[in-house]
Amino acid sequence: NAGVTQTPKFQVLKTGQSMTLQCAQDMNHEYMSWYRQDPGMGLRLIHYSVGAGITDQGEVPNGYNVSRSTTEDFPLRLLSAAPSQTSVYFCASRTDSHSGNTIYFGEGSWLTVV
Amino acid sequence: AQSVTQLDSQVPVFEEAPVELRCNYSSSVSVYLFWYVQYPNQGLQLLLKYLSGSTLVKGINGFEAEFNKSQTSFHLRKPSVHISDTAEYFCAVSDLNAGGTSYGKLTFGQGTILTVHP
Repeated sequence: NAGVTQTPKFQVLKTGQSMTLQCAQDMNHEYMSWYRQDPGMGLRLIHYSVGAGITDQGEVPNGYNVSRSTTEDFPLRLLSAAPSQTSVYFCASRTDSHSGNTIYFGEGSWLTVV
Repeated sequence: AQSVTQLDSQVPVFEEAPVELRCNYSSSVSVYLFWYVQYPNQGLQLLLKYLSGSTLVKGINGFEAEFNKSQTSFHLRKPSVHISDTAEYFCAVSDLNAGGTSYGKLTFGQGTILTVHP
């Protein structure tokens, strides 16, 4: 049972480069989301999805794009990386439920933009 | 909109001492409440959650938290800490959208670094 898998775990980018952080879950969860973690600021929601083909912006969406072509995958794209996007990124998922089921997090992706 | 405030950014304690990590939230709707722990260079692990019912919630590793609706607080406690409890702890809330479901969008506090000294 892999849970939520993020790749890569570590990445260094130059300013202006593009890249995609991959996120996959094998739990058939409808809801997936991306957070970034910065010191002293906790985790902040970037984008989220309530199902395949449906995405919406979170608290800090600027500079990031997402798509949800399948239930399993929810990639996060940086089109033109900036030093302000240096952060740790977490993907999360949970099932459709009225009981507030546990949100599962990936192991994180450490991104440095130089 | 909702917000979460963790009142202490760092909490140093000695091993076997009790600890309380404080969390206050604000929201105009009913919420679910969570505590997560993050060990260095790792992801987040759920410690406990409050959805409804008893206001005292027990979690893993001997932690518990009490939901106080009137004070909008959800403080985390452990009666006797171990060196291995050294980590960063996050309080989070998730609101209930119309119909009583939650889309899994969490609002996090800033985090509290718990350091347990021998």
